[in-house]
Formats: sequence, structure tokens, C-alpha cells
Amino acid sequence: DAGVTQSPTHLIKTRGQQVTLRCSPKSGHDTVSWYQQALGQGPQFIFQYYEEEERQRGNFPDRFSGHQFPNYSSELNVNALLLGDSALYLCASSLVLNTEAFFGQGTRLTVV
Amino acid sequence: GENVEQHPSTLSVQEGDSAVIKCTYSDSASNYFPWYKQELGKGPQLIIDIRSNVGEKKDQRIAVTLNKTAKHFSLHITETQPEDSAVYFCAASPSNTGNQFYFGTGTSLTVIP
Repeated sequence: DAGVTQSPTHLIKTRGQQVTLRCSPKSGHDTVSWYQQALGQGPQFIFQYYEEEERQRGNFPDRFSGHQFPNYSSELNVNALLLGDSALYLCASSLVLNTEAFFGQGTRLTVV
Repeated sequence: GENVEQHPSTLSVQEGDSAVIKCTYSDSASNYFPWYKQELGKGPQLIIDIRSNVGEKKDQRIAVTLNKTAKHFSLHITETQPEDSAVYFCAASPSNTGNQFYFGTGTSLTVIP
């Protein structure tokens, strides 16, 4: 079992650009959640996808959007990047009826 | 929304001693409380969790206790080892938010050999 995998591991973007991050959930899991973790802070919930729809959303602007594919993998898109978007972006997968969630290793995004 | 506070922010213990990390939450609807260990450059790793219908859970050297009345829960690590050194996060999940987790600010644990 490969667990939760994320790509890329590191990314450097320029302010104003757009970025797409990818996540493959743990085998058998159907729900994907995305979190943003600023340096020295706990992860902050961005949104959650189940059955290819956004089910829950945290306090993040519309610049943050996502998608879930039929194979349960997911993408996080961020438009008009700001310096403050620099963070570790984490993907967590779970079964919708089970709250136990497993995280990937994250994508370190640096906006310059 | 839910607010989770975590203390202490840093903790140093001698190898073999016990470590205790405490968290409080605000939303009485929270019914699931996981603890994660995060090593440098890695994603959070689930180490133990507890549900609101249980007061205590133990897994080898790790235990978690939950006091629903006081809205606080704690992580206990006994016989600490240098490989226990990491940042530990508590989290709470309200029953009406699907699988949304609210995290504490983390505790950096250092185990001194």
C-alpha cells in the first residue's frame, strides 16, 4: 500500500501565477481533504472532496479551488498567487464514514 | 467554529521519562480527537485517536485521555526514546463537519539521550 502520495514535493512560483498540486489517496479511500500548513503552525482546513464534489470548505478565498476525479485522486488549484500562500500543502485521505485520516508528505510551495 | 488550544509549545524530557501534552477544545459537537506526529520535512502521521464515547485509549507507550465535560484531552508518552522527538499536533473534529479537523498549534518534543 503506497499510502497517500502528493506531487510535486517542492515548487517555486512567482507572485500572480497559478499552481496545481496533485494527490492520490490511500488505496480504498474515497474522500480527500486539503490543508495548508504555514511554518510553525498547525494545518488549516481548505476543503474536502467526496464523490467528485466539494463537501466542506474552510475559510479560504475562491482563489483556492479543487477537483476530484473518478479514481478518487484530487487536485488543488491556487490562482493569483500571493507571497502569503507560501506553505506546506497537505492532502489527507479517509473513508467518508470513518474519521481516521492519513496524510501525504505534502507539497512545499514557495511564492517569490 | 471549533477552537483547539495546545500546551506546551515546547517540551524537553530526559530519555526514559514521560511526556504529557494537553489540548482543549470549544465545540461540544466535536466527537473525534486524533493525535499526529510530524517529523521534519514529512507529513503528519496518525499515532493514536479517541472518540467521544471513550475516556481513555492506550497503544503500547502512548495513551490518550478525554474529559468531555471539561473539553480537554491529553497525550501521554511513557518511557520516551530519542526517536519520539518530533512535533505533535492534537486535533478535534465536530460531528457536523464531515471529516474536517481543527488542529492545535503543535508541541515540539525533544527527548534528550
